[in-house]
Formats: sequence, structure tokens, C-alpha cells
Amino acid sequence: KAGVTQTPRYLIKTRGQQVTLSCSPISGHRSVSWYQQTPGQGLQFLFEYFSETQRNKGNFPGRFSGRQFSNSRSEMNVSTLELGDSALYLCASSLAIGTSGQYIQYFGAGTRLSVL
Amino acid sequence: AQTVTQSQPEMSVQEAETVTLSCTYDTSESDYYLFWYKQPPSRQMILVIRQEAYKQQNATENRFSVNFQKAAKSFSLKISDSQLGDAAMYFCAYTGGSQGNLIFGKGTKLSVKP
Repeated sequence: KAGVTQTPRYLIKTRGQQVTLSCSPISGHRSVSWYQQTPGQGLQFLFEYFSETQRNKGNFPGRFSGRQFSNSRSEMNVSTLELGDSALYLCASSLAIGTSGQYIQYFGAGTRLSVL
Repeated sequence: AQTVTQSQPEMSVQEAETVTLSCTYDTSESDYYLFWYKQPPSRQMILVIRQEAYKQQNATENRFSVNFQKAAKSFSLKISDSQLGDAAMYFCAYTGGSQGNLIFGKGTKLSVKP
């Protein structure tokens, strides 16, 4: 099976612009999660989508949004970019384990966003 | 709130030696999973090993094994016969209860000396 594919790998934007990142999960996986990774804050959860519905959301401002399509592909959008949004954005494709809604998450290579 | 703590920002090991990375966590859940992920400099996060909380037996994957101490809320990773390719950031992560997302520790940077 192909792994998690994230595009683009690198992006350079300026403050005030908006950006859209894309993630294609592993075939058959219906849940996609997004994380932001920075040297200072580490890995922080942004949101999770399952069957086109946002199921869980982290503590990020409304400028961060996402969606999931019927083929499970997901996009995240950041509007009005700020310098602090510079980060590695990781997408994870999830396989259910256990009986209470936990998942094993498999990660893509990430998109490195630089905001100038 | 659940938390994951990795107290060793950096570790170093000689090639072919054994190293143990530490992780502690806090949760009030009884049903949860713990993971170790590896992120090499090329940055693709790779799942190394997982442990179900209800299993007393420690998980093992080839040269990687864990020491899961549920009462102490400790979850350490042992890497045996360390190889140069083991050099990476290692993240301890938790998922539990009804949440689907992972909570990560800050990571431990492992260097392997030839």
C-alpha cells in the first residue's frame, strides 16, 4: 500500500496570505489528523476528520481550518498567515485499534511552511 | 488533562550498545495506548512500537522493546545493538479514552557514535 502523501513538501508565503495543504491517506483509512510541529511547542494536534466530518479539534485559532472529501483526502487551510505559523505540518492517516475510539496513526513526510 | 513527559532532551549511544529512552505520562483513563515514534532528520515520522495499557506483557519489535510500568505511569524504550540508522528524534505518544488524537512528549534526540 502507498503511504500517506502530503503536498507540497515546501511552501514559502508572506504574512497575510493564505495557504492550503493537501493530504492523501493510506487506502482504506477513513480518519485523517493534522499536527503542527515547531521547535518551541513540539507536536500539537490541530484537528481530526472522519468520514468528511470534523470529529476532534485542538486549541488553534479559527484561521486554521480543514476539510475531508468523500475519498478521504484532506486539506487544511491557514488564512491570514502570521510569522508564527512557520512550521512543519504533518498529516496522519489512522487505523482504528481497541474498542474506544483509539487509532494507530501513520504519518506523511510533512509540508514545511515558511512565512516571511 | 493527559500529559506526556520526556525528561531527556538528548542522548548518545555507542554503536552496538544499548540505550534506554525515558517517558512518563499522566492519565485518569484505564483504556489507552502508548507509542514510540522515530523521526529521522529526513523528518518522516515512523511508528516504532506500541503498547496497549491492558496488556501486562511488554511489547517487542526486533531490537526495540519497552518497559511498561503502568502503576508508575512509565513507558521507556530500549534499543539494543544500536545502529547508525537509529539516530533520530524519538517521540513518546499517548492516546486514550474516546480521543482519537495523539499527545506527544517533547522528544529525545538520539545520537549514535560509530
